Amino acid sequence: GENVEQHPSTLSVQEGDSAVIKCTYSDSASNYFPWYKQELGKRPQLIIDIRSNVGEKKDQRIAVTLNKTAKHFSLHITETQPEDSAVYFCAASLNSGYALNFGKGTSLLVTP
Amino acid sequence: EAQVTQNPRYLITVTGKKLTVTCSQNMNHEYMSWYRQDPGLGLRQIYYSMNVEVTDKGDVPEGYKVSRKEKRNFPLILESPSPNQTSLYFCASSPLGTNTGELFFGEGSRLTVL
Repeated sequence: GENVEQHPSTLSVQEGDSAVIKCTYSDSASNYFPWYKQELGKRPQLIIDIRSNVGEKKDQRIAVTLNKTAKHFSLHITETQPEDSAVYFCAASLNSGYALNFGKGTSLLVTP
Repeated sequence: EAQVTQNPRYLITVTGKKLTVTCSQNMNHEYMSWYRQDPGLGLRQIYYSMNVEVTDKGDVPEGYKVSRKEKRNFPLILESPSPNQTSLYFCASSPLGTNTGELFFGEGSRLTVL
């Protein structure tokens, strides 16, 4: 099945800096790549997603890039704020969103 | 309010005592799924269902059963729980055939098996 690797496992940045989280996937047929944010003690929530026919997508301070040739995708957060501190999960799917395979997560800490 | 509801939220039980974690969604979603979350392992899919009476194994189905008799409900059954099933469990749902594959998660059920 699909294998999703996520790096780094922990990331600490200062407020205002940028943060980048990278994921690789194994199955070239995967076509949907969402990112979820999980705050401490809360449920995961979708923050942005991208499909395989798009190379980049942006939503305010968050952007995701996809390189299908290299089979990797990345989450970029600019001008980080303390409320960005959370665990971020990338995922990949062969079926446009179903049977998602998640990475192991990145714990992001934004210090004031 | 659109939501996915899981019960119980917290449970401590003993090895071998059958238990059921219920999951219900009020968004008329066709797709429902169960994940377990363990430190350092992320979210791993246990079972999923594309519609009523249609269920499929995920990556870690051993020791679990599910059923989908009604569209809104997708219970997770542990017939004979063991300590390695101590985990945080999330139920999630998603509409089929839309432009987004967003999963809507429940609040989670923390299970401890002694």
